[in-house]
Amino acid sequence: KAGVTQTPRYLIKTRGQQVTLSCSPISGHRSVSWYQQTPGQGLQFLFEYFSETQRNKGNFPGRFSGRQFSNSRSEMNVSTLELGDSALYLCASRLTSAPYEQYFGPGTRLTVT
Amino acid sequence: DQQVKQNSPSLSVQEGRISILNCDYTNSMFDYFLWYKKYPAEGPTFLISISSIKDKNEDGRFTVFLNKSAKHLSLHIVPSQPGDSAVYFCAASDSGGYQKVTFGTGTKLQVIP
Repeated sequence: KAGVTQTPRYLIKTRGQQVTLSCSPISGHRSVSWYQQTPGQGLQFLFEYFSETQRNKGNFPGRFSGRQFSNSRSEMNVSTLELGDSALYLCASRLTSAPYEQYFGPGTRLTVT
Repeated sequence: DQQVKQNSPSLSVQEGRISILNCDYTNSMFDYFLWYKKYPAEGPTFLISISSIKDKNEDGRFTVFLNKSAKHLSLHIVPSQPGDSAVYFCAASDSGGYQKVTFGTGTKLQVIP
């Protein structure tokens, strides 16, 4: 079974631009979560989608948004990029609500210059 | 507000010795705890977990200990191997709702051959 895939793997953007990241979950998984990883902050939870509905949200500004499609694929959008948005963005999918069943993709490395 | 804390950003251990990674949490609603391992350029992978009704869980070379009164957990790796060199994330969840997983800041373990 294919794992969680994320595209693109690397991205360089300029401050003020916007960016869209994509995540394809493991087949059959309807839950997709997004995390931001930065040095010293660990993995910060952004949001979780289940069956196209956002059911959990972290403490990030409204510039960070997401959506999920009927095939469970998810996108994350960041508008008006800031230098501090440079991070590894990780997507995880799971079949049930069990926390130990979360499978992560390799991440998208975003650099904002 | 960092609800899950890993106060040691890095740890170096000789091959064959014990590695002890520590984690503290502040939210008393957390009742399920996990450890994830992350290699560079890969997403985190689930390693071991423990429910709050237990104080110890073993899986091969890995043992997790939970001290609920101190809100502290630790991961023991015995014996440590060079392939264990990675970043280890402590995480916690509560059984209510959709079980959002809260991660710590990570500890980079280096096992020296």
